[in-house]
Amino acid sequence: SQWGEENLQALSIQEGEDVTMNCSYKTYTTVVHWYRQDSGRGPALIILIRSNEREKRSGRLRATLDTSSQSSSLSITAAQCEDTAVYFCATDAGNNRIFFGDGTQLVVKP
Amino acid sequence: AQTIHQWPVAEIKAVGSPLSLGCTIKGKSSPNLYWYWQATGGTLQQLFYSITVGQVESVVQLNLSASRPKDDQFILSTEKLLLSHSGFYLCAWSHWGGGAEQFFGPGTRLTVL
Repeated sequence: SQWGEENLQALSIQEGEDVTMNCSYKTYTTVVHWYRQDSGRGPALIILIRSNEREKRSGRLRATLDTSSQSSSLSITAAQCEDTAVYFCATDAGNNRIFFGDGTQLVVKP
Repeated sequence: AQTIHQWPVAEIKAVGSPLSLGCTIKGKSSPNLYWYWQATGGTLQQLFYSITVGQVESVVQLNLSASRPKDDQFILSTEKLLLSHSGFYLCAWSHWGGGAEQFFGPGTRLTVL
């Protein structure tokens, strides 16, 4: 895998708290995808950030990308119970080669 | 609107038996197609991709094969299952390559005993 260790693999927070998940990658990419996977289902894209963007926002989500350190982060503001899921980052290494990170299991408690 | 369907929903198979999993995409012409494998509690590992009918590229060697007999159909198969094949198989499509969003199907849960 081209992905290094993620800083956190399991996170448990209280509803209303903010949370940040981090990823690092090893090879060049033009885009970082963040997917959310609910239990027993396929992943769904929640935010995409391109290499010419340092930050991208979508509702309570904020993604950052630092191409110099080859790292990306996903932040959720005021997390809700329905944010409980596994979150993956993924890059496209070119030629339709897609690499997914290890994933972070986020549990938001009421 | 595009829809993606995978079959079967779940399979329980014996070691050494054959396997065929299917995926169809409706409402999209000439999609890029992908197969992924996911171990329980693990990440997604890309297995194959296809950009056109009849053409499939292998990403990892796991004693599996894939075919794209029709523009909207992607098949994953093996003649002899291993215990290590157990997991969650996901099919996905995208409009194009180069970092485009992938749309995933509901997956097939495979248990090899």
